[in-house]
Amino acid sequence: DTAVSQTPKYLVTQMGNDKSIKCEQNLGHDTMYWYKQDSKKFLKIMFSYNNKELIINETVPNRFSPKSPDKAHLNLHINSLELGDSAVYFCASSQQTGPNYGYTFGSGTRLTVV
Amino acid sequence: QKEVEQNSGPLSVPEGAIASLNCTYSDRGSQSFFWYRQYSGKSPELIMFIYSNGDKEDGRFTAQLNKASQYVSLLIRDSQPSDSATYLCAVNQAGTALIFGKGTTLSVSS
Repeated sequence: DTAVSQTPKYLVTQMGNDKSIKCEQNLGHDTMYWYKQDSKKFLKIMFSYNNKELIINETVPNRFSPKSPDKAHLNLHINSLELGDSAVYFCASSQQTGPNYGYTFGSGTRLTVV
Repeated sequence: QKEVEQNSGPLSVPEGAIASLNCTYSDRGSQSFFWYRQYSGKSPELIMFIYSNGDKEDGRFTAQLNKASQYVSLLIRDSQPSDSATYLCAVNQAGTALIFGKGTTLSVSS
């Protein structure tokens, strides 16, 4: 039973298209995140939601819009895709209350914009 | 700007040797420190976390934290070829997301 699952695993699309990535966690965690990992393997925080509320919104183009319908789900919609959006996008979750035991990551979505 | 610095490597060690991975961070308010391992094409996997100054051991892995020097390290004893991966250091404060370093690539030769 996958703890943090993302779909799709691969996404190839043309510039200018709109696409969505979905994430679900069954760990009972109250906080979820989107990270972007570029070609040099650098993991950078994009957004964080705690119990459906946006708590972190880093400097990300407003073409990226996260949405959390409930605390177990966090989706990422990207409008007007650009070549520079090509990367691996990771969803992660954690428990914010109590000790911080780190994040659990999903398997990632490799987005290729052509 | 909060930063986490790691030597990108590659760090090459022979099988059975000790691999030493280092990380420095800029924010003195950082409270929690993590080491993740990432195999090529896979997601980051938590290896260890440490909160207090000193050493923390888990099997072949030892994390070391020195808050005064803003330095955290990971030692891997009896390195195995299966340890070959990228190791990511991450830090955070309460209420912020984990900030990752760019990772150190470890190669263990048999």
